[in-house]
Amino acid sequence: AQSVTQLGSHVSVSEGALVLLRCNYSSSVPPYLFWYVQYPNQGLQLLLKYTSAATLVKGINGFEAEFKKSETSFHLTKPSAHMSDAAEYFCAVKEGWGNTPLVFGKGTRLSVIA
Amino acid sequence: EAGVTQFPSHSVIEKGQTVTLRCDPISGHDNLYWYRRVMGKEIKFLLHFVKESKQDESGMPNNRFLAERTGGTYSTLKVQPAELEDSGVYFCASSQETRLDTQYFGPGTRLTVL
Repeated sequence: AQSVTQLGSHVSVSEGALVLLRCNYSSSVPPYLFWYVQYPNQGLQLLLKYTSAATLVKGINGFEAEFKKSETSFHLTKPSAHMSDAAEYFCAVKEGWGNTPLVFGKGTRLSVIA
Repeated sequence: EAGVTQFPSHSVIEKGQTVTLRCDPISGHDNLYWYRRVMGKEIKFLLHFVKESKQDESGMPNNRFLAERTGGTYSTLKVQPAELEDSGVYFCASSQETRLDTQYFGPGTRLTVL
């Protein structure tokens, strides 16, 4: 069965500092991997996705993530945090391309300190 | 193009009452998914429609939950009778048949059962 582990339920960074949100997954087949973000009082928005093409994936708002098969990881990074990045971030895995549901991690709440 | 919409945004009911949540997917999206996030836990899959047919309802917690998608457009999720443990945020997502790798989420319905 697939699963996702997000290390750290809450991460705090200073404005301008590196953002690193960790995600490890388990999957019996080559996975599709996603990062979603939920801003306060809003729905889930897709940040980026890995679908077996390039291992370094660039998303919206300056975020990127790297798929590392050997480490079963898909960590999310941003070189310089902005106050507007404060939100909850969810890593999710999907078993292949077909009609399969997403399996989510528990989420990481990112706080950005001025 | 309108995104996925959900109604109501919040619902507060008493234990034993009935509540019906509605989801309108993106126009033309045949796939519709329901997910739920209980406080402090991960977002979990409930069920999946392809047009009006239930493709996968393995995540439905029990028979107090009934989902329908008459005509293959909007969907409703009824909880009857509601219990305290049903409290949480219910998300709806939709995807195109030709782009199964990307699910677009609605803002969610926050359900509180007192």
